[in-house]
Amino acid sequence: EDKVVQSPLSLVVHEGDTVTLNCSYEVTNFRSLLWYKQEKKAPTFLFMLTSSGIEKKSGRLSSILDKKELFSILNITATQTGDSAVYLCADLNYGGSQGNLIFGKGTKLSVKP
Amino acid sequence: NAGVTQTPKFRVLKTGQSMTLLCAQDMNHEYMYWYRQDPGMGLRLIHYSVGEGTTAKGEVPDGYNVSRLKKQNFLLGLESAAPSQTSVYFCASREEQAGTEAFFGQGTRLTVV
Repeated sequence: EDKVVQSPLSLVVHEGDTVTLNCSYEVTNFRSLLWYKQEKKAPTFLFMLTSSGIEKKSGRLSSILDKKELFSILNITATQTGDSAVYLCADLNYGGSQGNLIFGKGTKLSVKP
Repeated sequence: NAGVTQTPKFRVLKTGQSMTLLCAQDMNHEYMYWYRQDPGMGLRLIHYSVGEGTTAKGEVPDGYNVSRLKKQNFLLGLESAAPSQTSVYFCASREEQAGTEAFFGQGTRLTVV
């Protein structure tokens, strides 16, 4: 059974800190790994990673995938209170059921002033 | 641009009642997904569809049925609601190609009393 595991499940930091969120996966026929940010409502898309070793970057957020070790990390530098959210990673695979999109439990990040 | 629209946004049901949640997307996406989100559990896949007329079970399908009679619509049915189905339900859609993100609706908050 496909599995996506995120760690830590929750994290409290102060503004200006740098954080690293982890996502490991065990899936068949892996295609892509996606990161989302969820505040009050629907998840919003951050990154999609398909190839190992290629960093995706957007402002203070960056992410990278390691397909050999089956994990991805999401880095946030110089955190701000607006970064407080649940960060979700998801695996897109074409295993026994095509187009399956499985999420981890998320990491709840709280950034204190 | 409407994107992914879920109706209703809120609903309170009595145990044993039935209801249907509607997800509509105007992006001509092939794939559509229904998730439920409970505190600390991330997004759990209920059912999904890889095209008009197709459906498949996800991680937590019991107690739910789905239909995809038209490409733009994905319906989630609860035949006999139970308190354990109290949750926030999200619908998502994406293109068929592997390198595309999933877009989410704004969610339906369902309470079963």
